Amino acid sequence: EDQVTQSPEALRLQEGESSSLNCSYTVSGLRGLFWYRQDPGKGPEFLFTLYSAGEEKEKERLKATLTKKESFLHITAPKPEDSATYLCAVAYSGAGSYQLTFGKGTKLSVIP
Amino acid sequence: DTAVSQTPKYLVTQMGNDKSIKCEQNLGHDTMYWYKQDSKKFLKIMFSYNNKELIINETVPNRFSPKSPDKAHLNLHINSLELGDSAVYFCASSRTQGTTGNTIYFGEGSWLTVV
Repeated sequence: EDQVTQSPEALRLQEGESSSLNCSYTVSGLRGLFWYRQDPGKGPEFLFTLYSAGEEKEKERLKATLTKKESFLHITAPKPEDSATYLCAVAYSGAGSYQLTFGKGTKLSVIP
Repeated sequence: DTAVSQTPKYLVTQMGNDKSIKCEQNLGHDTMYWYKQDSKKFLKIMFSYNNKELIINETVPNRFSPKSPDKAHLNLHINSLELGDSAVYFCASSRTQGTTGNTIYFGEGSWLTVV
């Protein structure tokens, strides 16, 4: 069973059409939930870290929220340059030493 | 300046060859990692080093051998390459291990194709 599940796998939005990406996790002892953005041919670029339920973080058109079992990445009025794959990852107790367990990502396409 | 840099970016080689990928970070971090991203884009950790000491060694074939000459460098050597080794390999680093507020930063990736 996957420990980190992201949905949807792919999302097409019109420019300006707000939406949310979901990341659900089944691990216990969460030490941090991370959002990364990955452009084609590039490495993951760090966006946010969330540590506890109820926490929110914002950056430009992106807002990340966390509950006890999932996180949402809200994209407000997206632009074509927001097109990328968004990766969610968790660090948790019992994962051995500090490491990230990733979901499979949501590929976002924003159409002009 | 690139924070985590790895070379080569692209590598095409024949089955059975031995190859190395080099990684350097200029962030002053103590911990470095190798992650593998397969054809389904799934990122999984392979190794982690803290101050040149191996701390994570996930289930990977022993044909893969990481080497850390100092805490700013973590190289990945692969012996007897197989078709299934084709993937993107990402080097990463973090300030330390196991600490709240510790972000992992990734390099640009090395695209390995075994033919």
